[in-house]
Amino acid sequence: ILNVEQSPQSLHVQEGDSTNFTCSFPSSNFYALHWYRWETAKSPEALFVMTLNGDEKKKGRISATLNTKEGYSYLYIKGSQPEDSATYLCAFENNAGNMLTFGGGTRLMVKP
Amino acid sequence: DAGITQSPRHKVTETGTPVTLRCHQTENHRYMYWYRQDPGHGLRLIHYSYGVKDTDKGEVSDGYSVSRSKTEDFLLTLESATSSQTSVYFCATRKDMGEKLFFGSGTQLSVL
Repeated sequence: ILNVEQSPQSLHVQEGDSTNFTCSFPSSNFYALHWYRWETAKSPEALFVMTLNGDEKKKGRISATLNTKEGYSYLYIKGSQPEDSATYLCAFENNAGNMLTFGGGTRLMVKP
Repeated sequence: DAGITQSPRHKVTETGTPVTLRCHQTENHRYMYWYRQDPGHGLRLIHYSYGVKDTDKGEVSDGYSVSRSKTEDFLLTLESATSSQTSVYFCATRKDMGEKLFFGSGTQLSVL
C-alpha cells in the first residue's frame, strides 16, 4: 500500500486569509500527482494534474507546486472565500500508470 | 462533464445477499475505477480496469469482484455483502495515463 499523506486534516480560516496544504508521496516510481476538490454532497472534481518536477499550476486563486525528488506538493489558496470550503484531495499516480492512490484529504472551512 | 452514470444511487440490502453496482460511461475512456469512501479513510481503490476484460485489484479488493465486458460498463459485485461493506462507492474514469479522473455521483450502499 502506497503512503500518500495530507496535512493538515482540517483547517478553519477566515474569509480573505491565504492558506496552503501539503501532500507527501513516494519519491520513487513517480508518474503524476493529482489534486481534486470535493464539495459536500458532490463528486470530486479535478483541479490539477502535474507530471514534472518543479511544475507549477494555477487556476484562479488556487495554485499548486510539485517536488518529485523529495515527494511533496503544496496547494495554495489566495484570499480564501466561503465557496472554497471543501475537502482537497491529492492522488499519486505511479509509473505503472494504472492506479491512483489518494491521500486522506484536507478539509477546508472558510468563515465569512 | 463526462457522462458517467452510477446505478443504483442508493441501495439497502441484507448481510449475505449479492449486490451489483453498475458504472456506465459514454466517453470511451480506457480506464475505469471503483473507490469506496469511508470516514477517516478518504477514497480507497477497490478494483480498476485498463481495458475490456483487463482488470486488477486495488488496496481493498477482498470481498469484491469486477467485470468489464465492454468499454462503457464496469460492474462491481459484492458476492455476499457484509456490514463492513456499508459505504459510499464512487466510479471514476479517465482517458489515459496522466489524465484527470472524472467521477460518477456515487452509490450509497447500506448492508444491514
